[in-house]
Amino acid sequence: EDKVVQSPLSLVVHEGDTVTLNCSYEVTNFRSLLWYKQEKKAPTFLFMLTSSGIEKKSGRLSSILDKKELFSILNITATQTGDSAVYLCAVGKLQGTGGFKTIFGAGTRLFVKA
Amino acid sequence: DGGITQSPKYLFRKEGQNVTLSCEQNLNHDAMYWYRQDPGQGLRLIYYSQIVNDFQKGDIAEGYSVSREKKESFPLTVTSAQKNPTAFYLCASTPDRPTGFEKLFFGSGTQLSVL
Repeated sequence: EDKVVQSPLSLVVHEGDTVTLNCSYEVTNFRSLLWYKQEKKAPTFLFMLTSSGIEKKSGRLSSILDKKELFSILNITATQTGDSAVYLCAVGKLQGTGGFKTIFGAGTRLFVKA
Repeated sequence: DGGITQSPKYLFRKEGQNVTLSCEQNLNHDAMYWYRQDPGQGLRLIYYSQIVNDFQKGDIAEGYSVSREKKESFPLTVTSAQKNPTAFYLCASTPDRPTGFEKLFFGSGTQLSVL
């Protein structure tokens, strides 16, 4: 059975800290791994990763994928209170029927203290 | 501004009642999706639609129904057959049919609770 596991489930840090969020997966017919940030209600897209070893960066956030070890990490440096959110990891896959689907992890809830 | 609008934000259902959650998008996206989010679990796909007048069941379609009469609209009905409907419901869209590489655009969700 396909699964996406995120760790830790929750995390509390102080402003300025660096955090690493983990996402491991066991998914057949892997196509892509995506990270979303869910503040309040609507998840918003952060990164899409399809190749191993290529770091994606956006400001203080960065992410990398290891397709051999089947995991990805999301790093946030110099955290700010505005980084407080639930971070979702998702994997896109090809289904046996020819369709495609996205499988989500349960998320990591990050709280940044001022 | 383009986006996805879900309404209402909060909804209460009585026993045996059907309720409908609205999802409207002005992004001109072809594909639309409904997900259910429960505490401690990942988002689970209920239904999706790739084009008007066509939709497919997701992983947890039992007790739910949808329609796609217009490109912009994809309402979800939670029927009385859904015995555990309390959850946060997210509507999403993508520009094209699912390929496994899609970036989902989400609405702000509807919290459904049972009275």
